[in-house]
Amino acid sequence: DARVTQTPRHKVTEMGQEVTMRCQPILGHNTVFWYRQTMMQGLELLAYFRNRAPLDDSGMPKDRFSAEMPDATLATLKIQPSEPRDSAVYFCASQLGPVGGRKEKLFFGSGTQLSVL
Amino acid sequence: KQEVTQIPAALSVPEGENLVLNCSFTDSAIYNLQWFRQDPGKGLTSLLLIQSSQREQTSGRLNASLDKSSGRSTLYIAASQPGDSATYLCAVSDDNFNKFYFGSGTKLNVKP
Repeated sequence: DARVTQTPRHKVTEMGQEVTMRCQPILGHNTVFWYRQTMMQGLELLAYFRNRAPLDDSGMPKDRFSAEMPDATLATLKIQPSEPRDSAVYFCASQLGPVGGRKEKLFFGSGTQLSVL
Repeated sequence: KQEVTQIPAALSVPEGENLVLNCSFTDSAIYNLQWFRQDPGKGLTSLLLIQSSQREQTSGRLNASLDKSSGRSTLYIAASQPGDSATYLCAVSDDNFNKFYFGSGTKLNVKP
């Protein structure tokens, strides 16, 4: 059963520390998204990639966040230095598309619950 | 910027009842619309995907409709069950950049 895998599931860290979250998209999916979910803001798009190239990272605080895809099977989201306001659930999602101009379903990972103290 | 609204924010119904969840969006130039389910502490699971050229999609007890001109979609759940209790989110994808804009969700509780 194909699924998006995220690690770690939970991360507790102190303010100022570096945090790295990893995502393995579904094999063959060429589009990868990073979302952040909080009670106040709901789901916010941070960045996304197609065929490993960053297409849009306008939702990401550039001074402390960075997103990369070292290869087609790994996407990373880094926060350095982390701050308490970064506490949230971070989701990775992948998609195959577009296929003949038609966009396909979005599949989400289980998320990384980040707490910055 | 696209804004997606879901009403109601929470809904509690007795088991067996048919129900409708609503989703509205401000920009009708969408490419597709998806309905998701999120269980507490879990990721989102895609339930139904409606392309902009389609009017509705069905899967089991779920039926989603799309009216682009009025900027609305509904998710109909027939014969609700306690296992349907979850938060339901809708998301629209714009035409150019494949960005998905999410609503804040409707938290559904189906009472046994």
